[in-house]
Amino acid sequence: EAGVVQSPRYKIIEKKQPVAFWCNPISGHNTLYWYLQNLGQGPELLIRYENEEAVDDSQLPKDRFSAERLKGVDSTLKIQPAELGDSAVYLCASSAGTSGGEETQYFGPGTRLLVL
Amino acid sequence: AQSVAQPEDQVNVAEGNPLTVKCTYSVSGNPYLFWYVQYPNRGLQFLLKYITGDNLVKGSYGFEAEFNKSQTSFHLKKPSALVSDSALYFCAVRVGNTGGFKTIFGAGTRLFVKA
Repeated sequence: EAGVVQSPRYKIIEKKQPVAFWCNPISGHNTLYWYLQNLGQGPELLIRYENEEAVDDSQLPKDRFSAERLKGVDSTLKIQPAELGDSAVYLCASSAGTSGGEETQYFGPGTRLLVL
Repeated sequence: AQSVAQPEDQVNVAEGNPLTVKCTYSVSGNPYLFWYVQYPNRGLQFLLKYITGDNLVKGSYGFEAEFNKSQTSFHLKKPSALVSDSALYFCAVRVGNTGGFKTIFGAGTRLFVKA
């Protein structure tokens, strides 16, 4: 079974430019997460989807970040415009089922963003 | 505030010796507890979780963890460390209810296993 797929793996952009990250979750997983991981720290949730609905986006900086999961499968996270402080690893994860707390989250390899 | 603490930034152990990576938490309600491992340039890989039942949980690659409710701890252990266990380890807690759950990750502990 294929795991969570993310692309690109690495991205270097200049500040003020837009950037987009793509995630394809494990087949059949209803819940999709986007996390931000700064160097030397644990992941922090940006947004959680249950199917196509964003059920927790309280930590998403909505002035510059946006996300979508139009058909309840793939998801895209966008930053426009990017700032130097956005340099980090962006992780996508998915889990089966909805609302239950015990399900395991499976993570993709992440996209490492460097903003110059 | 709900939080997860991994008090050691780094743990050093010799190959073949037992290892412990510590995790304590401060949350309301009954948490679900997880351990993940991260290798360089890779995403987090699930190791094990505690939901309910036996306080000793066994997971992947020979790792185990013991849930201690009175000490609010969930330390990760392995009887005999391998050099290949060297990686970054994250403890995570899921809290909430049917209205929604939130995952809180610790800052991570880097494990070095020396040959």
